[in-house]
Amino acid sequence: DAGITQSPRHKVTETGTPVTLRCHQTENHRYMYWYRQDPGHGLRLIHYSYGVKDTDKGEVSDGYSVSRSKTEDFLLTLESATSSQTSVYFCAISDARRQGGNTIYFGEGSWLTVV
Amino acid sequence: AQSVTQLDSQVPVFEEAPVELRCNYSSSVSVYLFWYVQYPNQGLQLLLKYLSGSTLVKGINGFEAEFNKSQTSFHLRKPSVHISDTAEYFCAVSWIQGAQKLVFGQGTRLTINP
Repeated sequence: DAGITQSPRHKVTETGTPVTLRCHQTENHRYMYWYRQDPGHGLRLIHYSYGVKDTDKGEVSDGYSVSRSKTEDFLLTLESATSSQTSVYFCAISDARRQGGNTIYFGEGSWLTVV
Repeated sequence: AQSVTQLDSQVPVFEEAPVELRCNYSSSVSVYLFWYVQYPNQGLQLLLKYLSGSTLVKGINGFEAEFNKSQTSFHLRKPSVHISDTAEYFCAVSWIQGAQKLVFGQGTRLTINP
């Protein structure tokens, strides 16, 4: 158990509606990440955070925004959901005790369907 | 830029047979290398990682991987698989310097047949 809770775990929403996914950690780790998983693409980084209010874009950030107001929470928002954002979303965490090579731990995933 | 290629999207093998899942990477700088496993409807779990030192890395569940710098490969092996090894396996790399971000391959689905 990596101490990561994602909510909601499953959601169906309509095109054009806003959606927020929440990631909560109990490990007090510095780094938090949002990935999306799609068949044939593996996992792709959407956004990541390296501290409270410190975030940066990943490989597939268009259409997504994030916020981190507390160490333990990292929110992913789809401002206006589209069908191409139907995916499984994974939150991940990592500490920063060493430069690189730290294990990144993943949550259980959030299944989002945009209809 | 980094990229990771898993050469097989699906690998079917019989129980107790050996298996090798292939991974090649491309990077202009030094990287760390990882293998993750994903069981159905679950998150990813770290199998093993290569940071430095011995090029043969042993992980959980009897898996091992060998780093080959000249061939830029990090193939995963297990000498005898079990039904419980049925899962999807992901190879990933991260830069040694800077923010730690994983770049994943497309995944290999390992199916064990009795």
